[in-house]
Amino acid sequence: DARVTQTPRHKVTEMGQEVTMRCQPILGHNTVFWYRQTMMQGLELLAYFRNRAPLDDSGMPKDRFSAEMPDATLATLKIQPSEPRDSAVYFCASGLDGNTEAFFGQGTRLTVV
Amino acid sequence: GENVEQHPSTLSVQEGDSAVIKCTYSDSASNYFPWYKQELGKRPQLIIDIRSNVGEKKDQRIAVTLNKTAKHFSLHITETQPEDSAVYFCAASKGRNYGQNFVFGPGTRLSVLP
Repeated sequence: DARVTQTPRHKVTEMGQEVTMRCQPILGHNTVFWYRQTMMQGLELLAYFRNRAPLDDSGMPKDRFSAEMPDATLATLKIQPSEPRDSAVYFCASGLDGNTEAFFGQGTRLTVV
Repeated sequence: GENVEQHPSTLSVQEGDSAVIKCTYSDSASNYFPWYKQELGKRPQLIIDIRSNVGEKKDQRIAVTLNKTAKHFSLHITETQPEDSAVYFCAASKGRNYGQNFVFGPGTRLSVLP
């Protein structure tokens, strides 16, 4: 049963610390999305990769967030320095060509204190 | 970029009644419109989708309709059951090399009352 795997599932960190979230997309998928979900904002698109190339990161605060795909089996989302307002659930999703079903990982629940 | 609006934000129905959720999108290049269901504490999961060359699609109690001219699409759930209670998200996608792709609406919290 192919699934998108995200690590860690939960992360509590102090303000100012660096946070790295990881995502393993489904083998063979060539698109990866990062979303942030808070109670008030729904699913907010942060970044979109196709064939490991970043196509859109306009939803991401550039001063502190960065997203990369070092290889086809790993996508990372980094926050440095973290702030309490970054507390949310971060979802990674993968799919084919960005125009078919996107399969979501279980999310990383981040709490910044 | 793409902007997806969704209404209503909350919806309560009696078990057995129908529920309708409506979405509008702004980018006429969008051609794929999925609907996701998210239960409390879980990941969003696809329940039905439609492409721009089709006006309607049905899967048991769930149907989606698309009006390309008006740029809106709707989710219809008939004979609602308590297990349909969840947050539902619509999305619009252009695919391939477009940015601002797979943008979600703000969600509708559906409560099915027994």
